[in-house]
Amino acid sequence: DTAVSQTPKYLVTQMGNDKSIKCEQNLGHDTMYWYKQDSKKFLKIMFSYNNKELIINETVPNRFSPKSPDKAHLNLHINSLELGDSAVYFCASSPRGAPQETQYFGPGTRLLVL
Amino acid sequence: GENVEQHPSTLSVQEGDSAVIKCTYSDSASNYFPWYKQELGKGPQLIIDIRSNVGEKKDQRIAVTLNKTAKHFSLHITETQPEDSAVYFCAAYTGFQKLVFGTGTRLLVSP
Repeated sequence: DTAVSQTPKYLVTQMGNDKSIKCEQNLGHDTMYWYKQDSKKFLKIMFSYNNKELIINETVPNRFSPKSPDKAHLNLHINSLELGDSAVYFCASSPRGAPQETQYFGPGTRLLVL
Repeated sequence: GENVEQHPSTLSVQEGDSAVIKCTYSDSASNYFPWYKQELGKGPQLIIDIRSNVGEKKDQRIAVTLNKTAKHFSLHITETQPEDSAVYFCAAYTGFQKLVFGTGTRLLVSP
């Protein structure tokens, strides 16, 4: 059973479109994250949610809007896609978002904006 | 904010050799240092971690050392195998409750 799953795995779209990426975790964790990994493999946090509440918002353009319908799901909606949004987006989760907790990553969504 | 530097960016070794990856961090409040392995097409997976009250930790062929005074920590892999080939990331958990990742090291183990 997959602990942290993401859909879709690949996403190819045109500039200006709006798209969503979905994430689900079956670990019973309270905290979920979105990370962006660019073409140079640099991995940077975008958002974190704890029990559906936004905790971290790392100066991400407001075209990116996370939504957490319940603590097992964290979706990422992107409006007006730009070329620079092309990257791999990873969802992750941790038990309570407490210090020194392991974060468990999903398989990633590879977004290509043409 | 926290800044984590990682070296080298690429590392090629022969099977059976040891590999060492080094990281430095800037925020003295950081107290947790995990290492992740990312295989091609997959998400990062935790392989080992160390907390600030410990200087060294070992798990079979991998070990991590931490020098809080110098603000650096290292990953050591002994008796490398081809399946160790991957991108390795160090990270530091900051006082702002987030993980800051290093820039990654691509390790290639040749048979």
